[in-house]
Amino acid sequence: NAGVTQTPKFQVLKTGQSMTLQCAQDMNHNSMYWYRQDPGMGLRLIYYSASEGTTDKGEVPNGYNVSRLNKREFSLRLESAAPSQTSVYFCASELGGTGNYEQYFGPGTRLTVT
Amino acid sequence: QKEVEQNSGPLSVPEGAIASLNCTYSDRGSQSFFWYRQYSGKSPELIMFIYSNGDKEDGRFTAQLNKASQYVSLLIRDSQPSDSATYLCAVIWDNAGNMLTFGGGTRLMVKP
Repeated sequence: NAGVTQTPKFQVLKTGQSMTLQCAQDMNHNSMYWYRQDPGMGLRLIYYSASEGTTDKGEVPNGYNVSRLNKREFSLRLESAAPSQTSVYFCASELGGTGNYEQYFGPGTRLTVT
Repeated sequence: QKEVEQNSGPLSVPEGAIASLNCTYSDRGSQSFFWYRQYSGKSPELIMFIYSNGDKEDGRFTAQLNKASQYVSLLIRDSQPSDSATYLCAVIWDNAGNMLTFGGGTRLMVKP
């Protein structure tokens, strides 16, 4: 039972390049989230998917797109990377529904854009 | 804009002491409050949640919620060096589904 997995663990991009961050969970959770974490700023929500087939914007969605491929997988795409997107990206999943608020986080992807 | 505020620290306490971490939030209608612990270079993990005014205890951890004053705190009794980490406060606002808004975190250092 791996929980939440993310690939890659580290990535360096040049400005303007694109890439997709992958996330998968094996806990049969309904909801999945993408956050970014910058020093001193806590976690900020980029996009989330409350259930398979739905996605919604979070606090900082500009420059990103997401796909909920199936119940297990939720990917985050940077179409044209910018230095401001240098950050640590965390995926999280949650059972969902009223009262089921515990989010389980993946190990993170450390992205540097030069 | 709804905000969650935490002192970034570091908060330094000696081993065996009580560590007190505080968090304030801007929306009186908030219902659910969470404390996550994050070790350096690792992902956050949930350690406590509280929904009602008052105290909630779990082992060495106590969460305290005061909705009238809009703050939530985390007390760690008998602090250990292994408690050294960043503690993130998170809030679910009313009518926001299950979306969490995080504070910037407080770095705790427990010195042997």
